[in-house]
Formats: sequence, structure tokens, C-alpha cells
Amino acid sequence: EAGVVQSPRYKIIEKKQPVAFWCNPISGHNTLYWYLQNLGQGPELLIRYENEEAVDDSQLPKDRFSAERLKGVDSTLKIQPAELGDSAVYLCASSSGGANNEQFFGPGTRLTVL
Amino acid sequence: QKEVEQDPGPLSVPEGAIVSLNCTYSNSAFQYFMWYRQYSRKGPELLMYTYSSGNKEDGRFTAQVDKSSKYISLFIRDSQPSDSATYLCAMTLSTGNQFYFGTGTSLTVIP
Repeated sequence: EAGVVQSPRYKIIEKKQPVAFWCNPISGHNTLYWYLQNLGQGPELLIRYENEEAVDDSQLPKDRFSAERLKGVDSTLKIQPAELGDSAVYLCASSSGGANNEQFFGPGTRLTVL
Repeated sequence: QKEVEQDPGPLSVPEGAIVSLNCTYSNSAFQYFMWYRQYSRKGPELLMYTYSSGNKEDGRFTAQVDKSSKYISLFIRDSQPSDSATYLCAMTLSTGNQFYFGTGTSLTVIP
């Protein structure tokens, strides 16, 4: 079974440029999460989807961040414009919502903003 | 005060040692407790999952939850160099709710 796929793995951009990250969850997983992980920190939730509906986006900085999950499968997270402080690893995770609610994480996209 | 506190380490032990990793938390309503392992440049992977108080054992790994003290632990017996990673604790109020992660403890097991 394929795991959570993310692309790109690495991205370097200059500040004020836009950037987009893509996530393909495990087949059949209805719940999808985007996390931000700074160096030496644990993941922090940005947004959670149940199918195509964003059910928790309270931590998403909506002035510059946006996300979508069309058709309830793949998801895209966008930053426009990027700032220096956005440099971090962006993790995508998915779960089936089963009894133990295990979240399966992708490898992440490491963003560097210059 | 953060919801979940975890000593970031780093922790360095010789091969074969018993490792103890710990987290404390402030919200007494947390019911589900997890330990994730994260290798460098990889996403976290679930190691242990515990509901409410008690112990759970899986091979060399034992997870303990003490809800009265708001304290959880992960013990690794006979530690191996392949255990070298960052260990993240996480907890949630109920299934489907937001996960709260600790900062992670960096562990190095020296051959």
C-alpha cells in the first residue's frame, strides 16, 4: 500500500513569491491534515479536512495561506506571498478515522524562503 | 503554558541501555496518548497508542500513562542504534479531534 505522497520534497524561493505544496493521501482515507513543523518543534496543525470540507482551519493564517481539497482526495496548500518566517517543513497526514485514529504522515516538504 | 511539555534533549545512550522518554500535559480531558518516531528528513510514524491510563507493551517498547499526574512515558529496552531518532508524544481529546504534539526528544544510541 502506497503511503502519503507529497511533492515537492524541497523548495527554495525568495520572499514575496508564491509557493504551493501537493499531497496525495492514502487511498480511502477521508481525513487529511496539513501540519507545519519548525526545527526542533513538534508538528502544529494548520488545517484538517473531512472529505472535501475544511472542518478545522482555525490555525491557518488566512491572509497568506490557502488550502483546497477538491473531490475529497488530493490537497494543495498555498502560500502567497511567502515570508522569511514561513521556512519550515510542511507535513501532510491522512487517517481513516478508525477507532485509534492513527495518522499516517508523508515525508514533508522542506521550504526555505530567502 | 503549552498544552504538552517534552524535554527536547538531546539524549545520548550506549547500545543496550534502557531509555525513558517523558511528557507532561495540562489538559486533564486528554484521553488518547501516542508516541511517534521521526527519523531525520522523514515524517513521523506511530509507535504506540494508548487509551486512558495504564501500560501498553510492544516488543522493546512500553508506553505508560498516568492521568492522575498528567504524565506519560515511553520506555525502550535494549536500545539499538536504529532507535536513534526524534520521539514525539501526542495526545487528543477524542478520536477525530486535533492532535497536540510535544516538541520531540532527540535520541542517539551509540554502538
